[in-house]
Amino acid sequence: KNEVEQSPQNLTAQEGEFITINCSYSVGISALHWLQQHPGGGIVSLFMLSSGKKKHGRLIATINIQEKHSSLHITASHPRDSAVYICATSKTSGSRLTFGEGTQLTVNP
Amino acid sequence: DTGVSQNPRHKITKRGQNVTFRCDPISEHNRLYWYRQTLGQGPEFLTYFQNEAQLEKSRLLSDRFSAERPKGSFSTLEIQRTEQGDSAMYLCASSFIMGGRFYGYTFGSGTRLTVV
Repeated sequence: KNEVEQSPQNLTAQEGEFITINCSYSVGISALHWLQQHPGGGIVSLFMLSSGKKKHGRLIATINIQEKHSSLHITASHPRDSAVYICATSKTSGSRLTFGEGTQLTVNP
Repeated sequence: DTGVSQNPRHKITKRGQNVTFRCDPISEHNRLYWYRQTLGQGPEFLTYFQNEAQLEKSRLLSDRFSAERPKGSFSTLEIQRTEQGDSAMYLCASSFIMGGRFYGYTFGSGTRLTVV
């Protein structure tokens, strides 16, 4: 079992739908990160969470430390949201990241 | 500052050849990380530096792999005697940490290596 597990692996949605991607982890962490990767490889950091909830535009990330679970929500999805979304954990601030396998999101117009 | 810069963007090499990749982090960042990503998978950790000191190295990093950050600025990742299994995207990231304050990771666009 991987230290960081994401679901689903693939997700197809219609424009405007509410999207949820889930992440579970098995060891204690200092922070959980949500990242976005577009074709070509570049990775952009979306959120860094150690507790509670964060919101940025149409994106919301939540974490439940007791259940070792995090979710990334996208409201009013748009085709430009199509990308791979990756969950990653760090055991201490600034230490290496352990990544999930990613969720390929496709939003159709 | 132009962010984290990786060169080259693409590299095709013949099996058995040596290759070297370069990463230029954000200038004030004191930590620098290397990851490897194969198709359809999440990135895997290779190694990371704080300034010029290599703090951690993955067991994935065989004797054929070496990384340096000689002056605490740019870093190089060298793969000797490349094998087809080395074909992957090699990602660099950097961060700043000081006095317990951490400001997140910034990633480069990666170097895609194809070994033929």
